[in-house]
Amino acid sequence: SAVISQKPSRDICQRGTSLTIQCQVDSQVTMMFWYRQQPGQSLTLIATANQGSEATYESGFVIDKFPISRPNLTFSTLTVSNMSPEDSSIYLCSVGHSNQPQHFGDGTRLSIL
Amino acid sequence: KQEVTQIPAALSVPEGENLVLNCSFTDSAIYNLQWFRQDPGKGLTSLLLIQSSQREQTSGRLNASLDKSSGRSTLYIAASQPGDSATYLCAVRGGANNLFFGTGTRLTVIP
Repeated sequence: SAVISQKPSRDICQRGTSLTIQCQVDSQVTMMFWYRQQPGQSLTLIATANQGSEATYESGFVIDKFPISRPNLTFSTLTVSNMSPEDSSIYLCSVGHSNQPQHFGDGTRLSIL
Repeated sequence: KQEVTQIPAALSVPEGENLVLNCSFTDSAIYNLQWFRQDPGKGLTSLLLIQSSQREQTSGRLNASLDKSSGRSTLYIAASQPGDSATYLCAVRGGANNLFFGTGTRLTVIP
């Protein structure tokens, strides 16, 4: 199974600032996924990141707020822009597709003051 | 849109007891269903994956079943241990590779 490393593991940020989360996978994967888990809630897909093309965003998420990079088949970044307290969540990177298990990193716990 | 529900939301059992967690989903057109555990403040650990053509999967003390036609899955944990305390999430994979997650069952195993 894929090993996924996320950085940072947690951060406390000021409102109005931006934070970039990094995700590294130990094998080449076609698709990488970014999820958000708000306090006390389940996971919601933000976007799917394919190498060599623009990310595909789910309803309610926009590129200006959550820009994503996918420079190669093992790495992706998610930026949370112009943060507000409502962005306080755990952000998770994930890989997997079709009939394969989905695997997740340990997540980035983000708190906005 | 797929809706995934998990009952109960929380469960507390004494150590050694067998238990069942439930997951239901509204759209039976799924590729597979996966069970995860999540420890507080952590990511998700995959426990079992059941393909849509399968009825059950087993791993150690865990057994997951799938009844696609009725939109139900169960996760059976035998001889529970305090280390099993976590939140258990089920997720169904529909088209476009999207996973739809339930809200989880928070399990506490009391020593």
